[in-house]
Amino acid sequence: DSGVTQTPKHLITATGQRVTLRCSPRSGDLSVYWYQQSLDQGLQFLIQYYNGEERAKGNILERFSAQQFPDLHSELNLSSLELGDSALYFCASKTSGLYEQYFGPGTRLTVT
Amino acid sequence: GEDVEQSLFLSVREGDSSVINCTYTDSSSTYLYWYKQEPGAGLQLLTYIFSNMDMKQDQRLTVLLNKKDKHLSLRIADTQTGDSAIYFCAESYSGGGADGLTFGKGTHLIIQP
Repeated sequence: DSGVTQTPKHLITATGQRVTLRCSPRSGDLSVYWYQQSLDQGLQFLIQYYNGEERAKGNILERFSAQQFPDLHSELNLSSLELGDSALYFCASKTSGLYEQYFGPGTRLTVT
Repeated sequence: GEDVEQSLFLSVREGDSSVINCTYTDSSSTYLYWYKQEPGAGLQLLTYIFSNMDMKQDQRLTVLLNKKDKHLSLRIADTQTGDSAIYFCAESYSGGGADGLTFGKGTHLIIQP
């Protein structure tokens, strides 16, 4: 158990819908990262937050957005969903000054 | 752009050593990582190495880094059936605190009895 929690574990929704994925980082970790794992694209970095502020963007679509709240949990919002958005979405967190990113168990999103 | 390459499959006999290889292109990479993913599970951090190191050993795991050739390898000694998983190589560039990881496609390690 990495200490990073993600909810829900599974999500099934229809094209055109909007969903919110939630992540709670390890206690005390200020950095949160979101990644997408799909068969086509592999594991891709989406976005990073540090203490509530966006720090870096990767291959995140404009239909996707994220935020980190004062209690440090983070949410990834996916809108206008397409079949190709079906994937595993991972959250990771990191302690300031250290270099290890610890991953949560992931949310499996299926778009039908 | 950044790219991390790994071979897709490696088959070894139980008890032998496994060597999983990775090449990366970003010469500014600061840290290189190995993650393990078992079926239906998340990513488990195995080990990482700073780019100014040549080698790191941790129990059955040995990481070798050839910075000149941008080649990273993970050696698993005495491979067991529990080592069967997908192994991902990843790199990060720690500039300004922006350190999202770039992953390879993963190497499926298959253990033969």
